[in-house]
Order: sequence, then C-alpha cells, then structure tokens
Amino acid sequence: DVKVTQSSRYLVKRTGEKVFLECVQDMDHENMFWYRQDPGLGLRLIYFSYDVKMKEKGDIPEGYSVSREKKERFSLILESASTNQTSMYLCASSPRTGTYEQYFGPGTRLTVT
Amino acid sequence: GEDVEQSLFLSVREGDSSVINCTYTDSSSTYLYWYKQEPGAGLQLLTYIFSNMDMKQDQRLTVLLNKKDKHLSLRIADTQTGDSAIYFCAEESGGYQKVTFGTGTKLQVIP
Repeated sequence: DVKVTQSSRYLVKRTGEKVFLECVQDMDHENMFWYRQDPGLGLRLIYFSYDVKMKEKGDIPEGYSVSREKKERFSLILESASTNQTSMYLCASSPRTGTYEQYFGPGTRLTVT
Repeated sequence: GEDVEQSLFLSVREGDSSVINCTYTDSSSTYLYWYKQEPGAGLQLLTYIFSNMDMKQDQRLTVLLNKKDKHLSLRIADTQTGDSAIYFCAEESGGYQKVTFGTGTKLQVIP
C-alpha cells in the first residue's frame, strides 16, 4: 500500500518561531510537492522537487524554504512563522512517468498564534 | 499562474446525479484529473482523462472534456452520502509533471 506520511497532524506555533514540516514517501517517487490549502483558494503550490537536492519555486514560495537531502524525504521550513501562514499543509509525491498521479499525505494543520 | 476554476459548492439529493464543472487554462495539458478529498484526509485521485479523449466512463463516474472551451466535467450517477467530499479539478501543466489544482467543489449529499 503506497504511503505518504507527514510528521504532525496538528501543530501550534508562535509568531517568529522556525517551523519544520516533514514528509516521507515510500514509493521511490522522483517528484515531491508542498501545497497549502485554504478555503476558497484550493491548493496552492509552495515548492516542489524533482530530484534529490533539487528544488523549484511554486506559486507562493515567499516565507518558505525546502530541503530534500534524501529521495524519500521532503521538508518544508517556515523560517519565521507568521499568522498568515496558518493553514493546512499538504505534501504529495508522484512518479516521473505514467499519468503523474500525485499521492497525498493526510495534511498538517498549522496554527500560528 | 494559471487559474483552474470551479464553483465552490453543490448540493444534491441521494440517488440523483451530480455534475461538477471546471474550466482550465493550459491547452497543452496532457492529462486532466479529478481528485477527491474526504474530511480530514489528503486528496486521492478519482479519475483522469487523456487530453485526446472526449469522454471517459468508470462505473458511476463520467468525465467529459471539451477542449475547445477548456471545460471539464465530472458526473456522478446515483450519488450516495459517501460521495460527500471536496472534488478538485486539476491539469498537468508547467513541466516537471506539475499539476495545477482548482479551488475545489464541496459536494453535499442530502439523504
């Protein structure tokens, strides 16, 4: 059974804190993605990675960075959390061939106070 | 960036058909997708259509693609309460197998 796991389901952080969200996939997928989901806005791509140590900015990268040191792991970093980063964060992975179906983790609901 | 548009909400009675509509922007997309998100979960691929097809049927699901109008629809026949979820239209675009998602349509099925 294919699986994408995220380190936390719920997280509460204070403004200015550095926040790490981790994602692990067990499908040997080349591509990994970080999205945030907000009501009425759908999913917006923050960053993606198509190989180890490679990263590309998505549509809303400001205030975020990422790290991919190993193929199976993709981390999202909020350097200095702000209240407008309160959101649901979804990680996904996909293969580089076929229909490019994305497999999603269960999400992390982050609240910044 | 590109915008994939959907209506935000749809309410249907159990047993009726549901039709969820979407307009997309990238005419060069190879694949178009419908993903489903159940409460408290991530998204899961429901079905997809290859861009050179007009229609795809998969049990209770029918996908229609109108490339001229860049319009995609998902029809769910005999809608059940278990179909209550958020449905996302998506297009493969931008290279690197990126996918652009729509805003999502929340389907409410009334018993």
